[in-house]
Amino acid sequence: SYELTQPPSVSVSPGQTARITCSGDALPKQYAYWYQQKPGQAPVLVIYKDTERPSGIPERFSGSNSGTTVTLTISGVQAEDEADYYCQSADSSGTYPVVFGGGTKLTVL
Amino acid sequence: QVQLQESGPGLVKPSQTLSLICTVSGGSISSGSYYWSWIRQPAGKGLEWIGRFYISGITNYNPSLKSRVTISVDTSKNQLSLKLSSVTAADTAVFYCARTPVGPEYYFDYWGQGTLVTVSS
Repeated sequence: SYELTQPPSVSVSPGQTARITCSGDALPKQYAYWYQQKPGQAPVLVIYKDTERPSGIPERFSGSNSGTTVTLTISGVQAEDEADYYCQSADSSGTYPVVFGGGTKLTVL
Repeated sequence: QVQLQESGPGLVKPSQTLSLICTVSGGSISSGSYYWSWIRQPAGKGLEWIGRFYISGITNYNPSLKSRVTISVDTSKNQLSLKLSSVTAADTAVFYCARTPVGPEYYFDYWGQGTLVTVSS
């Protein structure tokens, strides 16, 4: 099977920058997507195609790709950003067209 | 504005078949512009893609679930359905339906609110 690896948790103080990583062998060839999920709610897309931000998503959310690792960066973190974040991508063979990372709990101290 | 709404029994007995429906409003499931997927999430755990359907009839399933899953659509009702057979307690989860625009990228732009299914005798 194909796996995307995320840290289980990240903690930052309000106003600081949070960086959440996602690692996978196929990431140099496959786009990554990021979702925010708050308790009891469905996930919401916050980044697509590694770096693009959907309309309505605050500018403080950004994405980057450096080979086998992609990173979601939240600049000037606000209390409302506390949530679980999931990366999503695919393997390079097409066997696993959709794979999610295990998720990262962002805690705003 | 498209909306997706999952529905179905909240309790299923072990070894039986789980059946869920996703009703799509504000857009046609037959448009050909989207894939339609099922995704599940056990309590306190991560997301797992189950499979997807395209109006041409093409389906793709997660290899780990492929032997037990069937996804189909009823175009007359604008509904997506999921059947998962031989369920066990490990299949207890919130089940979501979600939409993906057709294109080189593959992401979920709209999700239903999710429905909890518990497998228990």
